[in-house]
Amino acid sequence: DAGVIQSPRHEVTEMGQEVTLRCKPISGHNSLFWYRQTMMRGLELLIYFNNNVPIDDSGMPEDRFSAKMPNASFSTLKIQPSEPRDSAVYFCASRPVGGPGNEQFFGPGTRLTVL
Amino acid sequence: EDQVTQSPEALRLQEGESSSLNCSYTVSGLRGLFWYRQDPGKGPEFLFTLYSAGEEKEKERLKATLTKKESFLHITAPKPEDSATYLCAVQADVNYGGSQGNLIFGKGTKLSVKP
Repeated sequence: DAGVIQSPRHEVTEMGQEVTLRCKPISGHNSLFWYRQTMMRGLELLIYFNNNVPIDDSGMPEDRFSAKMPNASFSTLKIQPSEPRDSAVYFCASRPVGGPGNEQFFGPGTRLTVL
Repeated sequence: EDQVTQSPEALRLQEGESSSLNCSYTVSGLRGLFWYRQDPGKGPEFLFTLYSAGEEKEKERLKATLTKKESFLHITAPKPEDSATYLCAVQADVNYGGSQGNLIFGKGTKLSVKP
C-alpha cells in the first residue's frame, strides 16, 4: 500500500496567489482529514470528510480556505488568496472503515511558504 | 474547552537511559487517547490508542499508560533511532459534544537520544 499521497511536497508562492494542495487517501478508507501544523499552534484540524461529504469544517480559518472531495480517492485544499500567515505544513490523513480504533494515517505533508 | 498539554517540550537522553513523557488532558468524556511519533519532514505515525483508565499498551521499547487525567509514554533503554517528536491526541466522546473525527493534539515532546 502506498499510504496517503500528497502533492506538492513543497510550495513557495507569493502573497495573493491561489494555492491548491492535493491528497489521495489510502484505498478503502472512508474518512479524510486536513490538518495544519505550525510551531506556535501545533497540529490543528481544518476539515474532515466522511464518505466524501464534509462533516466538520469549524477549523477552517476563514473564507479564503476551501476543501473539496469529488470522489473517494481525491481531495483538494485551496487557499485563495494566500497570505504569509498561511505558511505552515499541511497534512492529509485518512481513516479506515470499521477499524479497531480511530487511528488516522497521515501523509508526508505539503510545506507551504507564502512570501 | 478540551485541551492537551505535553511535557517536557524537549528531552535529551543518553542511550539506555529510561524516562517518561507526560500528556495531561482535559476533555468532556474521553473517547480515546492516541500517541503518534513524528520524524522530521514526515507525517505523524500512529503508535497506540488507549480507551480507559488503567489500560496499558506496549510496542518494543515503548509503553503507554492512561489515567483519568493523563497518559505517560515510558521509554525503556532508548536507542538513537527512538529520537523523534512524540505527539499525544485526544478524541472527545460525541455524547459530550465531541466531534466524531476531531483529534485534539498536544504540541509534542521532542526526544533526542545520544549514543
